[in-house]
Amino acid sequence: DAGITQSPRHKVTETGTPVTLRCHQTENHRYMYWYRQDPGHGLRLIHYSYGVKDTDKGEVSDGYSVSRSKTEDFLLTLESATSSQTSVYFCAISVGGYEQFFGPGTRLTVL
Amino acid sequence: RKEVEQDPGPFNVPEGATVAFNCTYSNSASQSFFWYRQDCRKEPKLLMSVYSSGNEDGRFTAQLNRASQYISLLIRDSKLSDSATYLCAVAGAGSYQLTFGKGTKLSVIP
Repeated sequence: DAGITQSPRHKVTETGTPVTLRCHQTENHRYMYWYRQDPGHGLRLIHYSYGVKDTDKGEVSDGYSVSRSKTEDFLLTLESATSSQTSVYFCAISVGGYEQFFGPGTRLTVL
Repeated sequence: RKEVEQDPGPFNVPEGATVAFNCTYSNSASQSFFWYRQDCRKEPKLLMSVYSSGNEDGRFTAQLNRASQYISLLIRDSKLSDSATYLCAVAGAGSYQLTFGKGTKLSVIP
């Protein structure tokens, strides 16, 4: 157990509303990641962080922003949710090496 | 050519069978390789890291072929509980970012 929690676990929202997903870790690991997983596309990296206030874009960052003001929390924000952002969102951390460990996921539905 | 490719399956095999999955990668500079297992509606879980010399964990064997740029996962004596989707992941040189394949679905049938 890598001590990763995500909240909320499920969310239904409407197009155009802002949404923030939270990833929390308990062990002060430096690297944190946000992925989305969609049928036919697999896991795709949205943004990642390599320290407090240090973040960078991944493969599918358009429409998403992130913030990391504390080591333990990595927030993903959809400024104005669209139906194409309906997905399962996973947070992950790197522990020591290149292996990543995932949180339980958030299922987001944008109507 | 996509960065990391897997046969999507599904692979339907009887209990006790041996099954092998391959995963090809396009970046010859890739340094680290992993297999993950994902159950339906759950998060991916690390199954094995893949080392140059190959590695084995019980019924599972992972191998790396750098010349042909693929990794493989062999499952011996398949169990019903092995039914899942298996994802391969590759990290580039000096990068902590992983690129995942789309996964191969395995169903082990009684």
